[in-house]
Amino acid sequence: AQSVAQPEDQVNVAEGNPLTVKCTYSVSGNPYLFWYVQYPNRGLQFLLKYITGDNLVKGSYGFEAEFNKSQTSFHLKKPSALVSDSALYFCAVRGPGSGSARQLTFGSGTQLTVLP
Amino acid sequence: DGGITQSPKYLFRKEGQNVTLSCEQNLNHDAMYWYRQDPGQGLRLIYYSQIVNDFQKGDIAEGYSVSREKKESFPLTVTSAQKNPTAFYLCASSSRTGEAYGYTFGSGTRLTVV
Repeated sequence: AQSVAQPEDQVNVAEGNPLTVKCTYSVSGNPYLFWYVQYPNRGLQFLLKYITGDNLVKGSYGFEAEFNKSQTSFHLKKPSALVSDSALYFCAVRGPGSGSARQLTFGSGTQLTVLP
Repeated sequence: DGGITQSPKYLFRKEGQNVTLSCEQNLNHDAMYWYRQDPGQGLRLIYYSQIVNDFQKGDIAEGYSVSREKKESFPLTVTSAQKNPTAFYLCASSSRTGEAYGYTFGSGTRLTVV
């Protein structure tokens, strides 16, 4: 079975500092990895995804994520945080195959707070 | 523009009532999903459907029912058997073919028991 772990429920960072939101995964075969962001009382919005190729993936709003196969990680990063980045972030994984394996499995979410 | 529409945005239910949450998509996606989100919590899968006239239970299906009579629509009924229905409900869809596709989410329905 595939799974995702986001080890930090809460991440606080000062505005202008770099931010990292951690994600590790477990899946059989090559993973398809996603990051989503959720603002209060809204649905999840797609940020970026890793399918294949370059391990550093660039996405929306200046976010990027680094795929590390040996560490089974897909950490979300941004060089300089903004107060408006404060939101709930979800990592998700999908494995190859059919049936239930084609579903996305979501992590528990990490609340990012950027302090002015 | 293509997308997913959830309605209503806010819904109030009295004890013992059934209520139905609407989810409509015009993305031509085969698969649709319903999730429940409690405050500060992650997503829990209620039901999903990969094709018209077929659906499967997720992790917390008790007290909920769905139908998939049309590709575009996947309504969720919260029945009186659901003892703690107050939550934020999210609908999502995805293409059934190709692992490269993630999910597209609606903007959610907040259900409150009064």
